[in-house]
Amino acid sequence: DAGITQSPRHKVTETGTPVTLRCHQTENHRYMYWYRQDPGHGLRLIHYSYGVKDTDKGEVSDGYSVSRSKTEDFLLTLESATSSQTSVYFCAIRPGQDNSPLHFGNGTRLTVT
Amino acid sequence: DQQVKQNSPSLSVQEGRISILNCDYTNSMFDYFLWYKKYPAEGPTFLISISSIKDKNEDGRFTVFLNKSAKHLSLHIVPSQPGDSAVYFCAASAMDGTASKLTFGTGTRLQVTL
Repeated sequence: DAGITQSPRHKVTETGTPVTLRCHQTENHRYMYWYRQDPGHGLRLIHYSYGVKDTDKGEVSDGYSVSRSKTEDFLLTLESATSSQTSVYFCAIRPGQDNSPLHFGNGTRLTVT
Repeated sequence: DQQVKQNSPSLSVQEGRISILNCDYTNSMFDYFLWYKKYPAEGPTFLISISSIKDKNEDGRFTVFLNKSAKHLSLHIVPSQPGDSAVYFCAASAMDGTASKLTFGTGTRLQVTL
């Protein structure tokens, strides 16, 4: 898992509640990413970070915010969860230079009821 | 707009035969292409990649072919083994000066039968 820990691994929450997912890396890599995986869509980029306090939006960022106050932690927050945010969320790091492959965590399965 | 497309949702191949997974892309700015393999309840794992300056890259049983004029790449697995049964994602990125943001296809589920 390339030193990536995602927590929690599973979560069920109700519509309208805030939810925070955590990604922790042990190797101090600069770039971190949040993707969601849905049937028929593959993996889609939500947000990414290129350093502490440096973040940017991906293609499906609406309804999500992120924070990176430390190199090792990248948090994804669903401000008010909706059923359309039921998904599997993957965190990734980029351990090398430009265009080096991303390494992914094992995912968080989120269900919004 | 799906910039990376995998038009075959599933593929079944006999053990020992060749598996060919296909991927098409529309963005001509993509210059780096990757294949990931994913088992259930695990994250995607990197398999093989190819730069746009090459047309072929080989790593053991896995070979990726790139046809830039057709905006098409394929992954060949030979011989296929039961442990290759997984979902395979094609991904692409463009050098944009900040981060290598990968754009993924929808995946192809490969089943290798005995």
